[in-house]
Amino acid sequence: KAGVTQTPRYLIKTRGQQVTLSCSPISGHRSVSWYQQTPGQGLQFLFEYFSETQRNKGNFPGRFSGRQFSNSRSEMNVSTLELGDSALYLCASSLVYPWSTGELFFGEGSRLTVL
Amino acid sequence: AQSVTQLDSHVSVSEGTPVLLRCNYSSSYSPSLFWYVQHPNKGLQLLLKYTSAATLVKGINGFEAEFKKSETSFHLTKPSAHMSDAAEYFCVVSHSGGGADGLTFGKGTHLIIQP
Repeated sequence: KAGVTQTPRYLIKTRGQQVTLSCSPISGHRSVSWYQQTPGQGLQFLFEYFSETQRNKGNFPGRFSGRQFSNSRSEMNVSTLELGDSALYLCASSLVYPWSTGELFFGEGSRLTVL
Repeated sequence: AQSVTQLDSHVSVSEGTPVLLRCNYSSSYSPSLFWYVQHPNKGLQLLLKYTSAATLVKGINGFEAEFKKSETSFHLTKPSAHMSDAAEYFCVVSHSGGGADGLTFGKGTHLIIQP
């Protein structure tokens, strides 16, 4: 069974540009959540989608957005990139929502560097 | 409100010796608790979870953790460290019924294994 797939794995952008990251969940998983991981702030929750609807959103500016498609694949977009957006962006999927007693399956992440 | 504190940012042990990674939590609800491991340039993988069943939880790769409500602790242990255990470990608390926004991640403990 294929795991969570994130693309691209690495990317470099310059300030002011925008970026789109993609996440394909495990087959049959309908919930996708996104996290930002930085050395200073650790892992921070961005948003969560289930059945194409955003269920929860973390404390990030409106430059961060996302969506989920009917096949459960998800994308997140960051517009007007800032240096502080450099991070590892992790996607996780789970079978159901809410899932508090279940398990999150993480992808390997997309490492974004903003110059 | 809930929080999780990993008491050591770095732990160094010799191969073949016991491992202890400490985690304290606070939660207004009956919490679910998880330990995840992250190897370099990889996503997070679930080691084990506590969801109000047995207080001693066994996980993968020989790890186990004990939930102690009186001490609000959920320490991770392994009897004998292996070089492949070198990684970042995250303690995570989730309040009952929550989604991804209900997760609180610890700052992580970097486990170093000396040959």
